[in-house]
Amino acid sequence: QVQLVESGGGVVQPGRSLRLSCAASGFTFSSYAMHWVRQAPGKGLEWVAVISSDGRNKYFADSVKGRFTISRDNSKNTVYLEMNSLRNEDTAVYYCTRVLQEVWVDDAFDIWGQGTMVTVSS
Amino acid sequence: DIQMTQSPSPLSASVGDRVTITCRASQSISSWLAWYQQKPGKAPKLLIYKASSLESGVPSRFSGSGSGTEFTLTISSLQPDDFATYYCQQYNDHPTFGQGTKVEIK
Repeated sequence: QVQLVESGGGVVQPGRSLRLSCAASGFTFSSYAMHWVRQAPGKGLEWVAVISSDGRNKYFADSVKGRFTISRDNSKNTVYLEMNSLRNEDTAVYYCTRVLQEVWVDDAFDIWGQGTMVTVSS
Repeated sequence: DIQMTQSPSPLSASVGDRVTITCRASQSISSWLAWYQQKPGKAPKLLIYKASSLESGVPSRFSGSGSGTEFTLTISSLQPDDFATYYCQQYNDHPTFGQGTKVEIK
């Protein structure tokens, strides 16, 4: 079935780096833009980044611009979020999500992973 | 960035009540609005897209309306499974979410 599975979360010290992965299955991964959305403990949803279906276009929230990068490997059906210079305020559950319609970059999100927890703490 | 503001928050209601949640955008987003339901420890679930289109498999007691800057999510008869937090999201531009509306048992 259609599925997204995140991995790579954990506890990391401020200033360090972490890479999250999201493995997709059950659909034509290369046809869909993919987003990362995060949720700090007890807080609401915050959009983080998007990568277009072909990987050429990437956009980031101001809160992570210059520190986070997003990439994808369509041969492995996987999208990545590389997080550098991590801050305490980056502590959150990170979800990868799929857009509803093929090719569209900004859209509603119909498929979500289970989320992976990132804790930034000394 | 487009700001999304939801009201009320929280919302206390009883089983069988008709419930309406409002979402306002800081500028016009046409009909590029989605609604999600989230339960504790779970990922959000898409309910409504393009302001009023019901996602496949979502019960028909959920409906959405609006365009421009003002939108509503209505649950026609609240069921026990509906007690959750609801978020609106605009996608006219890079996505932004409302702050969430927790629907609590009255």
